[in-house]
Amino acid sequence: DIQMTQSPSTLSASVGDRVTITCRASQSISSWLAWYQQKPGKAPKVLIYMASTLESGVPSRFSGSGSGTEFTLTISSLQPGDFATYYCQHYNTFSWTFGQGTKVEIK
Amino acid sequence: QVQLQESGPRLVEPSQTLSLKCTVSGDSISSGYWYWNWLRQPAGKGLEYIGRIYARGGTDYNPSLKSRVTMSVDASNNQFSLRLTSVTAADTAVYYCTKDLLGPWGQGILVTVSS
Repeated sequence: DIQMTQSPSTLSASVGDRVTITCRASQSISSWLAWYQQKPGKAPKVLIYMASTLESGVPSRFSGSGSGTEFTLTISSLQPGDFATYYCQHYNTFSWTFGQGTKVEIK
Repeated sequence: QVQLQESGPRLVEPSQTLSLKCTVSGDSISSGYWYWNWLRQPAGKGLEYIGRIYARGGTDYNPSLKSRVTMSVDASNNQFSLRLTSVTAADTAVYYCTKDLLGPWGQGILVTVSS
């Protein structure tokens, strides 16, 4: 089974900061990776798929990169509404596997 | 606008069967090549994929839950369903239904396993 590992688990940042979250796959997953944002009490929302394709309606300050086993989600200038938990997700023909999450907190 | 809504008992006794439905509005569940997913999230923890059912009825289940999971489609009511047998406290979670990869997601339903 493919395992997804995110780092860090928690990140403290200020409004305006550039933030980077890393996701590593236990084996190559090509670009079959998505990023989600989840706020307390709400369902996750997809931000990026195919590693770097921005979902419709998602602000351009969010970007994704990587392929194979290492991926990053970057928020270019953190906004108040971006404080949330972020998950990476490997998806394939049969299943989904999530990273453990990265909580972005106010510094 | 496509919307999904989970429904079902919010309290299930240990060893019993958890049964949830997801009602889809704004789209026909039996059209196209979409798949429809179930996921869950224990309080304060991460997301776990339970499995999917295709519009034509095929299924893929998480191997760790496969022996206890059944999914089905009710096209006449535009719903799909989840059954999870022999539940324990470890199955207590918010359960979500979603459409395909990009969603949308339902709002989630908290199911507690307790006597």
